[in-house]
Amino acid sequence: DAKTTQPPSMDCAEGRAANLPCNHSTISGNEYVYWYRQIHSQGPQYIIHGLKNNETNEMASLIITEDRKSSTLILPHATLRDTAVYYCIAPVDQAGTALIFGKGTTLSVSS
Amino acid sequence: EAGVTQFPSHSVIEKGQTVTLRCDPISGHDNLYWYRRVMGKEIKFLLHFVKESKQDESGMPNNRFLAERTGGTYSTLKVQPAELEDSGVYFCASSQFGVPGNTIYFGEGSWLTVV
Repeated sequence: DAKTTQPPSMDCAEGRAANLPCNHSTISGNEYVYWYRQIHSQGPQYIIHGLKNNETNEMASLIITEDRKSSTLILPHATLRDTAVYYCIAPVDQAGTALIFGKGTTLSVSS
Repeated sequence: EAGVTQFPSHSVIEKGQTVTLRCDPISGHDNLYWYRRVMGKEIKFLLHFVKESKQDESGMPNNRFLAERTGGTYSTLKVQPAELEDSGVYFCASSQFGVPGNTIYFGEGSWLTVV
């Protein structure tokens, strides 16, 4: 079973930042937090992942709290094409164990 | 570089028939995973290969499902005989083995409709 808690849905205006929260209180030591999204019924798309430090790539930023019990995915300038279901997946250890998906957050971006 | 490719993209079969889904992982990826999503449900893990060995098959629903990965390259997932509840989309994913914090890449899925 998924071990993360995410709000079921969020809305965001186009051009604004979308901040998607996730609680992963059972995470420990060497376990990562991964974010994926699924647009319509396409294959899950990797967004970003992190261990302890905040991370940024061309798609998004990941802010991880100091105690590592929660994180926030930030889409800095949301577009209509960012409308999707966003999955926060944790904990993921280093051994390549399978990702366990929960219900995710449905983000709706509107103009 | 080619991503994870799956075939067929869509398949419609009758109840009781057999279907074989194929997945070609990214070259060099020893980890290969199968997932499925049935209508209205969450994406569910089915099994995990490391090269040709089954590392974890705890998600396989029943013995009508058989996954193979001969030679540690591509993998097949056979459903025999297919039932109506097997309808859904089957995703394959792959990643490098033994790399901390590696990325798991997904294919676009194989849609299965059992009528």
